[in-house]
Amino acid sequence: AQTVTQSQPEMSVQEAETVTLSCTYDTSESDYYLFWYKQPPSRQMILVIRQEAYKQQNATENRFSVNFQKAAKSFSLKISDSQLGDAAMYFCAYLNFGNEKLTFGTGTRLTIIP
Amino acid sequence: NAGVTQTPKFQVLKTGQSMTLQCAQDMNHEYMSWYRQDPGMGLRLIHYSVGAGITDQGEVPNGYNVSRSTTEDFPLRLLSAAPSQTSVYFCASSLISTSGRRTQYFGPGTRLLVL
Repeated sequence: AQTVTQSQPEMSVQEAETVTLSCTYDTSESDYYLFWYKQPPSRQMILVIRQEAYKQQNATENRFSVNFQKAAKSFSLKISDSQLGDAAMYFCAYLNFGNEKLTFGTGTRLTIIP
Repeated sequence: NAGVTQTPKFQVLKTGQSMTLQCAQDMNHEYMSWYRQDPGMGLRLIHYSVGAGITDQGEVPNGYNVSRSTTEDFPLRLLSAAPSQTSVYFCASSLISTSGRRTQYFGPGTRLLVL
């Protein structure tokens, strides 16, 4: 079974600075997707960024980018120019192609310091 | 498109009562699923469906039933509620496409309190 580990329960960053959230996963599959979801206090799960495992190029979405290291099974999220609206829980998730099941990490609570 | 909708937003039940959490999507997605979120834990898969008439168990299926009679709807039934089922429940849907756009879109959640 796949597992996803987020070893940082809480992180904080000064506004306008850069922060990196860590995620590691365990799988024997070669094809899969990885995601970062943001959950603000409203509890809505919002997709931040997606990475296909077969792509070597790291995904980017505006101020958000990932460092995908397939051999190391590592998938970190970098947030540049942090903004107050970035404060939320961030979940790393793994998608199994065979059964479409999403496996989530336990989350990292990000605080933005004004 | 309304996306993924869930009702109710909040519900209080007494132990032993039954209820159905509703989930609907208007994006013609084949795949739908239910997750629960407990404090200190990520979302855990309860049940899922890859199309109308097809359902299967996830990681924590005990105490829950599902059915998928239409593409749009995927209700979650609690047959006899227990305090351990106090949680926030999320419904999600996605396309299963060969193009690889397998992103799951989530509803707003239902907060359930079982006394």
